[in-house]
Amino acid sequence: RKEVEQDPGPFNVPEGATVAFNCTYSNSASQSFFWYRQDCRKEPKLLMSVYSSGNEDGRFTAQLNRASQYISLLIRDSKLSDSATYLCAAPSGGYNKLIFGAGTRLAVHP
Amino acid sequence: NAGVTQTPKFQVLKTGQSMTLQCAQDMNHNSMYWYRQDPGMGLRLIYYSASEGTTDKGEVPNGYNVSRLNKREFSLRLESAAPSQTSVYFCASSSSNYGYTFGSGTRLTVV
Repeated sequence: RKEVEQDPGPFNVPEGATVAFNCTYSNSASQSFFWYRQDCRKEPKLLMSVYSSGNEDGRFTAQLNRASQYISLLIRDSKLSDSATYLCAAPSGGYNKLIFGAGTRLAVHP
Repeated sequence: NAGVTQTPKFQVLKTGQSMTLQCAQDMNHNSMYWYRQDPGMGLRLIYYSASEGTTDKGEVPNGYNVSRLNKREFSLRLESAAPSQTSVYFCASSSSNYGYTFGSGTRLTVV
């Protein structure tokens, strides 16, 4: 089993839709998790951090389920500009090393 | 602008050639990292440096070496490039348990 796994998608949704991605992790000792957004041919950029049960920032909500070892990202009222690949990341082993999932691609259409 | 700067942005090498990818950050972060990104495989950690003066192997270190020159700079060297090292390379830095800041990447093609 990979340390961090994501559904690769793509998720094709209309503008205004609500979409949710899940990410499972294997290290039960992990304390902090991250969602990154990556646009085509660009670097990943930090979207949200999740340190406890969850975090909300505008249309974006990240939640952590420790019992089932997954984190989720919910996007409400999708915009065309939300089209990107979303990467989740979890700590692995030593000092502040992050392991990334392969990413979930989101395409929002008019 | 504050952040992580990588050079070069693009590079084409012939098999067997060597090169060094440069990375510098001006955020006073202690930790720095080198990842490679290949289609369908996500980001894989090559090497990291938890603090100035230390370096450790990541998931895919074979064929690479690194140098943490000072707190700001962390370079990645390919001694003898192979086609399997064709990839996009990202440098990142972080402080404590906060998320990473990535550089804009180096697109490397080995022919």
